Amino acid sequence: DAKTTQPTSMDCAEGRAANLPCNHSTISGNEYVYWYRQIHSQGPQYIIHGLKNNETNEMASLIITEDRKSSTLILPHATLRDTAVYYCIVIPLSGSARQLTFGSGTQLTVLP
Amino acid sequence: DAGITQSPRHKVTETGTPVTLRCHQTENHRYMYWYRQDPGHGLRLIHYSYGVKDTDKGEVSDGYSVSRSKTEDFLLTLESATSSQTSVYFCAISGGTGPGDTQYFGPGTRLTVL
Repeated sequence: DAKTTQPTSMDCAEGRAANLPCNHSTISGNEYVYWYRQIHSQGPQYIIHGLKNNETNEMASLIITEDRKSSTLILPHATLRDTAVYYCIVIPLSGSARQLTFGSGTQLTVLP
Repeated sequence: DAGITQSPRHKVTETGTPVTLRCHQTENHRYMYWYRQDPGHGLRLIHYSYGVKDTDKGEVSDGYSVSRSKTEDFLLTLESATSSQTSVYFCAISGGTGPGDTQYFGPGTRLTVL
């Protein structure tokens, strides 16, 4: 069962903010929302994670709705190097790794 | 970058031959994972380890076995490779208290089974 739903692809103009949505309507209270990205042929790279509060780091911001059923990853000033597949996953901090599931993600293409 | 290496990085083999992929970490992290990635399927967990000699199955474990005799090494073995195991294999590690902690991925191994 897919625990998250993401659009298959999105485009964004270089220099503009990229807003990537993720639906996780069945998320449990102890599950975190994680975002990773994978640039072509490389291993996935951690971006950010959160539980219920909005989070920001040097790479991105994560906005989680109050009901926690969806979230948005924001890349404030997208560059060509941000072109990648972005994965949103939900996972309890403790528990079996069998629950780890990476779906197909969103292919973000940053256009010059 | 987390200290994770995978070897070999590329391998071509024939159906029916055994293959072992190695993941090596220098971070002393407790958890290690093997994923495979195929077009249209994202990343799928094969096996994972939560300590030396402690392993468990993931979503797509059939046809694969693993071993972890040292904290730093996690081996993935295909006992008799099949063409359906042609894929890109990624190793990942995480510390913390559980598999939900941040994962750091290796560069991947591209395996082709003819």
